[in-house]
Amino acid sequence: GQNIDQPTEMTATEGAIVQINCTYQTSGFNGLFWYQQHAGEAPTFLSYNVLDGLEEKGRFSSFLSRSKGYSYLLLKELQMKDSASYLCAVREPPPNDYKLSFGAGTTVTVRA
Amino acid sequence: NAGVTQTPKFQVLKTGQSMTLQCAQDMNHEYMSWYRQDPGMGLRLIHYSVGAGITDQGEVPNGYNVSRSTTEDFPLRLLSAAPSQTSVYFCASSTRDRRLDGYTFGSGTRLTVV
Repeated sequence: GQNIDQPTEMTATEGAIVQINCTYQTSGFNGLFWYQQHAGEAPTFLSYNVLDGLEEKGRFSSFLSRSKGYSYLLLKELQMKDSASYLCAVREPPPNDYKLSFGAGTTVTVRA
Repeated sequence: NAGVTQTPKFQVLKTGQSMTLQCAQDMNHEYMSWYRQDPGMGLRLIHYSVGAGITDQGEVPNGYNVSRSTTEDFPLRLLSAAPSQTSVYFCASSTRDRRLDGYTFGSGTRLTVV
């Protein structure tokens, strides 16, 4: 089975940094995705980690520790447009590697 | 524009009615899936398909049917709508090289069953 945990809500100030944690206990692991979802819209891809370590993409970074079943998404220099829900998703190993299991999402509110 | 197209965007049904949510993609993706999204529960997999003519059940398949007669289309049928099926439904597709960007999602269908 899949158990993926994220905090429900986080609030931060414009220009600050926020770290969204994701812990997982799954029957198999083949990579972890982060998606951004604005209210009323579809999720959009942010990052993918399959090996341990930090992946940086501009203001967003994602970290993975497979031994700890832990990932985080780091949002730097927060902007008002970063107010959204952030979804953590774990990919199953082959032959089911097309399947993703999602956490419930973390709603981030950026305040001026 | 290339992508995943879902119709309708909004729908209200009466309990017991049936309907089909449409999903089409023009990216020649092999894999397509349907999720429902409810507050506090995240995205839950309803049905998925790894290619034309092949479908399988996900986590919450009861009350839904699917078919995949072509690579492009993956409709989701509600057989007899119930209030518990009130939700936002997302269709998603993916290529075999899923490392690059995971899924491409449609814009969603917001369904209310009264």
